[in-house]
Amino acid sequence: GAVVSQHPSRVICKSGTSVKIECRSLDFQATTMFWYRQFPKKSLMLMATSNEGSKATYEQGVEKDKFLINHASLTLSTLTVTSAHPEDSSFYICSASARSSYNEQFFGPGTRLTVL
Amino acid sequence: GQNIDQPTEMTATEGAIVQINCTYQTSGFNGLFWYQQHAGEAPTFLSYNVLDGLEEKGRFSSFLSRSKGYSYLLLKELQMKDSASYLCAVRDNYGQNFVFGPGTRLSVLP
Repeated sequence: GAVVSQHPSRVICKSGTSVKIECRSLDFQATTMFWYRQFPKKSLMLMATSNEGSKATYEQGVEKDKFLINHASLTLSTLTVTSAHPEDSSFYICSASARSSYNEQFFGPGTRLTVL
Repeated sequence: GQNIDQPTEMTATEGAIVQINCTYQTSGFNGLFWYQQHAGEAPTFLSYNVLDGLEEKGRFSSFLSRSKGYSYLLLKELQMKDSASYLCAVRDNYGQNFVFGPGTRLSVLP
């Protein structure tokens, strides 16, 4: 089956620092990757959609200068939370889809970010 | 606008059957998905409906009525491990974007 990994799984950082989260599709080429944010006991909120080699499309209300997304290859997308603040603490989940599996998104295991 | 509704919480007994409902109003529709999510973990795919009717997969079944903007997930022979959140998601038009509902937290009691 299709596997998506995320790294790191947990990160604790000081306020004002930047944090990079990697999302990799391990055994398929991900034409599209999605980044979600999830608060405790809440559902997933789509932050942005990225296609390989092009700029990410951000959802309304998501600051693109704060959440930098790069989709440099068909197997890797990165989310950088710049100048993180405590309110950015959340569970960040990526997912990936491929042309051959149009009906499914494959989710990564998520990254728990805590900003002190 | 996009709106998806699910009950917030449900409780059921081990061995029983439970139905989790989902209603949606979206600007487009190209499929409805159900995901299971255990606490602190990523969602896992359960089912997909794009045409009206019932899709059965083992202990899990999902139903769709596009005219009513309604779906349900049916879980049979409940097990303790089924305690999780169940997310209903709609894919809009022919894009890849998914809109997720708020999720239903199911607790299975012995």
